[in-house]
Amino acid sequence: GAVVSQHPSWVICKSGTSVKIECRSLDFQATTMFWYRQFPKQSLMLMATSNEGSKATYEQGVEKDKFLINHASLTLSTLTVTSAHPEDSSFYICSANGHYGNQPQHFGDGTRLSIL
Amino acid sequence: AQRVTQPEKLLSVFKGAPVELKCNYSYSGSPELFWYVQYSRQRLQLLLRHISRESIKGFTADLNKGETSFHLKKPFAQEEDSAMYYCALPGQNFVFGPGTRLSVLP
Repeated sequence: GAVVSQHPSWVICKSGTSVKIECRSLDFQATTMFWYRQFPKQSLMLMATSNEGSKATYEQGVEKDKFLINHASLTLSTLTVTSAHPEDSSFYICSANGHYGNQPQHFGDGTRLSIL
Repeated sequence: AQRVTQPEKLLSVFKGAPVELKCNYSYSGSPELFWYVQYSRQRLQLLLRHISRESIKGFTADLNKGETSFHLKKPFAQEEDSAMYYCALPGQNFVFGPGTRLSVLP
């Protein structure tokens, strides 16, 4: 089945640094990837939709200058948390599907980001 | 606007008892819905989708357009079914419900 790889799985860094999270589709081309944030014991919150070759679409309330998304190829999307602060600590999950329309999402394992 | 609700945050049942996890949606158009499951310390994975009409791990879900519901059911719960369950509605964006934590007690 389709596999989505997310890296790193856990990162701890100092406040003020920028952190890049990669999301790769390993055996399929992903025209669209999604980035979610999950707080403890809460549901997934969609942050942005990443489309290959074009600008990402951000959900209301998500700062696009804070969470930079790049989808430069059909198999890779990156999320960069710029100048991270403790309130950015969370679990970030990416997902991908290969087709437009109502196709199931394939999820990465997630990245736990801890900002000290 | 797309919206998915799951009224129960936590559902506890005993092993062997029937279980129903509720999901209601609002969507203008013909929806296709999914159920995702997240076992402890594992990634989110697709459990079933209404269009396939299949039963996975004994779970079934029927789309009721009149009630705008897509409840997940299993006649006899097992301890290994304990997990977080999310109902999801694709469309322009992929919208997840808040999730229901199912706890199957021995």
